[in-house]
Amino acid sequence: DVKVTQSSRYLVKRTGEKVFLECVQDMDHENMFWYRQDPGLGLRLIYFSYDVKMKEKGDIPEGYSVSREKKERFSLILESASTNQTSMYLCASSASGIGGTEAFFGQGTRLTVV
Amino acid sequence: AQKVTQAQTEISVVEKEDVTLDCVYETRDTTYYLFWYKQPPSGELVFLIRRNSFDEQNEISGRYSWNFQKSTSSFNFTITASQVVDSAVYFCALSEAHFNKFYFGSGTKLNVKP
Repeated sequence: DVKVTQSSRYLVKRTGEKVFLECVQDMDHENMFWYRQDPGLGLRLIYFSYDVKMKEKGDIPEGYSVSREKKERFSLILESASTNQTSMYLCASSASGIGGTEAFFGQGTRLTVV
Repeated sequence: AQKVTQAQTEISVVEKEDVTLDCVYETRDTTYYLFWYKQPPSGELVFLIRRNSFDEQNEISGRYSWNFQKSTSSFNFTITASQVVDSAVYFCALSEAHFNKFYFGSGTKLNVKP
């Protein structure tokens, strides 16, 4: 059974803290994604990676960075958390090659910044 | 630029009613892929269907059916005889041919009441 696992379901952090959200997939997928989900806005792409140590900015990268040192792991980093980064964060992975393969999602991390 | 619009923010139906979720997309690509995902209250997005731009055949899977019309750039999703378990947020998404970067709509929340 394919699996994308996010390290935390719920997280509460203080403004200014450095926050790490971890994601691991066991499907040997090349592509990994971080999305942010907010009511009425759907899923917005923060960063994606198509290979180890490779990363590309998505639509809303400001205030975030990512790390992919191993194929199965993709970390999202909030350099200095702010209250407007309170949101649901979703990690996904997909196989490489031509488009059209579906993405598999983790269960999400609901982050609250106070 | 790619864009997916789900104009229905929330729909409420009574069990056994049929319901159609609308999805309209914009793209300049001739090859692209369309998806529907279901997000139950647990949070994890579940893949439902994929369609490529060259396949306009409608698809039926049990109580679910999908109508893809390139002429109107729409990919609508119908649930027949809805059930309480169908209550969820449903997302329509589009991906490019050359890379699995997904563009999501804002989602439609479906409430099925007993």
